[in-house]
Amino acid sequence: GENVEQHPSTLSVQEGDSAVIKCTYSDSASNYFPWYKQELGKGPQLIIDIRSNVGEKKDQRIAVTLNKTAKHFSLHITETQPEDSAVYFCAANFGNEKLTFGTGTRLTIIP
Amino acid sequence: EAEVAQSPRYKITEKSQAVAFWCDPISGHATLYWYRQILGQGPELLVQFQDESVVDDSQLPKDRFSAERLKGVDSTLKIQPAELGDSAMYLCASSSLAGLAYEQYFGPGTRLTVT
Repeated sequence: GENVEQHPSTLSVQEGDSAVIKCTYSDSASNYFPWYKQELGKGPQLIIDIRSNVGEKKDQRIAVTLNKTAKHFSLHITETQPEDSAVYFCAANFGNEKLTFGTGTRLTIIP
Repeated sequence: EAEVAQSPRYKITEKSQAVAFWCDPISGHATLYWYRQILGQGPELLVQFQDESVVDDSQLPKDRFSAERLKGVDSTLKIQPAELGDSAMYLCASSSLAGLAYEQYFGPGTRLTVT
């Protein structure tokens, strides 16, 4: 069935260090993989996405990598800052425009 | 920057009462989604519209939930009667490209508490 697993559920890193969040998906036909950042009391904000014809995408301090063979993708945040503290969700589409979300990772940046 | 608007931001209601949420998508976005997000979990799709038509409502509890998008622009999600288990964040999202899992942009959500 449609399933996206996300790890870890919580992550604490020192300011300036890197953070990595990993997701796996179940459907080999999935071809769109967005990442969302959700701050307390707000809706999820799209921060980066990747499509299956690309292996890696970068946007300043944020990067996403995709391994279609292994059916997993990862979010990398470098030079972390206090404002990066939030809950991060990965998602994948399943055959159509429907997205299934992971369970979220609470990232805490320690000053 | 265009945003998805939702109201109210917070709603407290007693069980068995009716409650309604409103969403105004980004202008020009034909696809509109309603999600429910339980605390500590990811959003789960309730219903998807393409213009004024329902594309997917397989996860919508139709005995108590209803959704409409009469003119293909703004949308209303209703719960009647509300139950304690309906307490959650209700999120609206919109996207501009039909037929593809394109970029979905979320509104700020409505936090519902049923007492």
